[in-house]
Amino acid sequence: DLVMTQSPDSLAVSLGERATINCKSSQSVLYGPNNRNYLGWFQQKPGQPPKLLIYWASTREYGVPDRFSGSGSGTDFTLTISSLQAEDVAVYYCQQYYSNPWTFGQGTKVEIK
Amino acid sequence: QVQVQESGPGLVKPSETLSLTCTVSGGSVSSNYWSWIRQPPGKRMQWIGYIDNRGSTNINPSLKSRVTISVDTSKNQLSLNLNSVTAADTAVYHCARHGARDGYNYFFDHWGQGTLVTVSS
Repeated sequence: DLVMTQSPDSLAVSLGERATINCKSSQSVLYGPNNRNYLGWFQQKPGQPPKLLIYWASTREYGVPDRFSGSGSGTDFTLTISSLQAEDVAVYYCQQYYSNPWTFGQGTKVEIK
Repeated sequence: QVQVQESGPGLVKPSETLSLTCTVSGGSVSSNYWSWIRQPPGKRMQWIGYIDNRGSTNINPSLKSRVTISVDTSKNQLSLNLNSVTAADTAVYHCARHGARDGYNYFFDHWGQGTLVTVSS
């Protein structure tokens, strides 16, 4: 199985500051024929199901604020929250859909400093 | 607006079959792919498998021998059966719709709240 490893496990960021979450896959999730990275990011707030934020590694889902951005290619990816808001407190997960079984990272908890 | 709700017994005995239902409203279950995903306490999420809009399934190989996913279009529901359960199957179980983007059906864009299933005697 393709293993997704996130870092850090948790981070505390001041309101208005940048938060950066990394995700590394054990194999490349870049599909050559269409040059797309088969990677997504989810946000899960307490008591809620996960919410899709980003797909194709960098495409923002409808309605997601533009302070959320995704980058990276191959095996190394980053989710950036450019200016942390109180409502962004959550656990964030990366997920690959390149190979069966689809797998998730262990999650990164984002808190306010 | 599509809404998704899981239901089923919260407690299942070891070696028995876990059976869950996901009821879809605001959309047709036959229009999309649908997945089951679980979150064991303290562990990472695990994708269980999906059923596509033709009724074909794609199951996580680690669970393939124990899992059945089906759709009942008359009730606008999908179902999950997981047999021979053990304590390791204790988890919050979610169903999730795959939203189509650019002609691809990979993206979990609507999730149910999830239902906790505990395996214990």
